[in-house]
Amino acid sequence: GDSVTQMEGPVTLSEEACLTINCTYTATGYPSLFWYVQYPGEGLQLLLKATKADDKGSNKGFEATYRKETTSFHLEKGSVQVSDSAVYFCALSASKKVELVFGKGTKLTVNP
Amino acid sequence: EPEVTQTPSHQVTQMGQEVILRCVPISNHLYFYWYRQILGQKVEFLVSFYNNEISEKSEIFDDQFSVERPDGSNFTLKIRSTKLEDSAMYFCASSALIVNTEAFFGQGTRLTVV
Repeated sequence: GDSVTQMEGPVTLSEEACLTINCTYTATGYPSLFWYVQYPGEGLQLLLKATKADDKGSNKGFEATYRKETTSFHLEKGSVQVSDSAVYFCALSASKKVELVFGKGTKLTVNP
Repeated sequence: EPEVTQTPSHQVTQMGQEVILRCVPISNHLYFYWYRQILGQKVEFLVSFYNNEISEKSEIFDDQFSVERPDGSNFTLKIRSTKLEDSAMYFCASSALIVNTEAFFGQGTRLTVV
């Protein structure tokens, strides 16, 4: 079945460090790919998305590129801030399906 | 900014009791969902709801679970006889369209069954 695998956390970085959170997927057809973020005490918020191969989603300095050849959608940011501390979830929506399939989530802590 | 709201934020219940988790989706959205996350595990799809009926459900969503939209604003998840393994964070979500679209999530209800 459809699945998402993302790197295990937690990840701890210093402010202004580079961030990469790996995400790979297994799906039939051509899924849409998402990164959701959950800040402490809040719900899941869509961070960025890509709906077809080679699309790049970007928001708040974060980027992820839909790589069909490697079935990956890695999240990157060049310079993290303390306010980026949160749990990040990679997810997919398979063709013609309603549900989102999530990875386990990666907790990021950014220290000043 | 419109948001999905869930109540309560935390519910503790005894095994075998019925619980109702409540959600107010975004007002002009047509599709509603419940997901859950058992501690340390993935966020899992439970059910989707459209036009006053279930459109899809997962294997997790057995006869113990039911959903309802009792009025024009609330969307509820009922667990009839809770088990210890129902302890999880339950997320409600809504979306304007169904396919490849952004789902807006609530902050979750943490259910603890003792």
